[in-house]
Amino acid sequence: DAGVIQSPRHEVTEMGQEVTLRCKPISGHDYLFWYRQTMMRGLELLIYFNNNVPIDDSGMPEDRFSAKMPNASFSTLKIQPSEPRDSAVYFCASAGARGLFFGSGTQLSVL
Amino acid sequence: SQQGEEDPQALSIQEGENATMNCSYKTSINNLQWYRQNSGRGLVHLILIRSNEREKHSGRLRVTLDTSKKSSSLLITASRAADTASYFCATDATHGNKLVFGAGTILRVKS
Repeated sequence: DAGVIQSPRHEVTEMGQEVTLRCKPISGHDYLFWYRQTMMRGLELLIYFNNNVPIDDSGMPEDRFSAKMPNASFSTLKIQPSEPRDSAVYFCASAGARGLFFGSGTQLSVL
Repeated sequence: SQQGEEDPQALSIQEGENATMNCSYKTSINNLQWYRQNSGRGLVHLILIRSNEREKHSGRLRVTLDTSKKSSSLLITASRAADTASYFCATDATHGNKLVFGAGTILRVKS
């Protein structure tokens, strides 16, 4: 298995633009998580899904952030409009019987 | 919000020495997990200890859990340069794989 796959690895955009981050979880995993990591705030859980259904989105910072999981093999995290304070590394992780596995992350820079 | 707090924030040791990292948390938990993160990569699961366990071993790793003090420690014995990474504790207070991560300890092992 290729593990959790995130794209893009790096994203540089200008303030006000829409940003879409993508994640392909490990096949068979029924939980999917989106985390954000910054030096100041550490690793924060934004939202997680169980069987494609959002369970807890209390970590989503603002209405500018939205996440979807249209099927078991794909999820997106969208920021619209983006702001410089959204600059961070965004991780997707999926969980199954053998635990939680992280993707390599998307480094987002909003100028 | 972060549940766990690791200390020290940073640790620098010589190859061959043991490294001990501590984690404190605030609420009751089902289990506590330790993860490693190499620079520029996602987190990798190291070990899980359940709330009814006091100690667990995995290779050169030893984890203890004291639920009365709400604290855990991770010991890496006979450290190697390849152990250089950030180490995070994460607590699971629910049965839904929802993990809350601490701020992490940066470990540097000098060869």
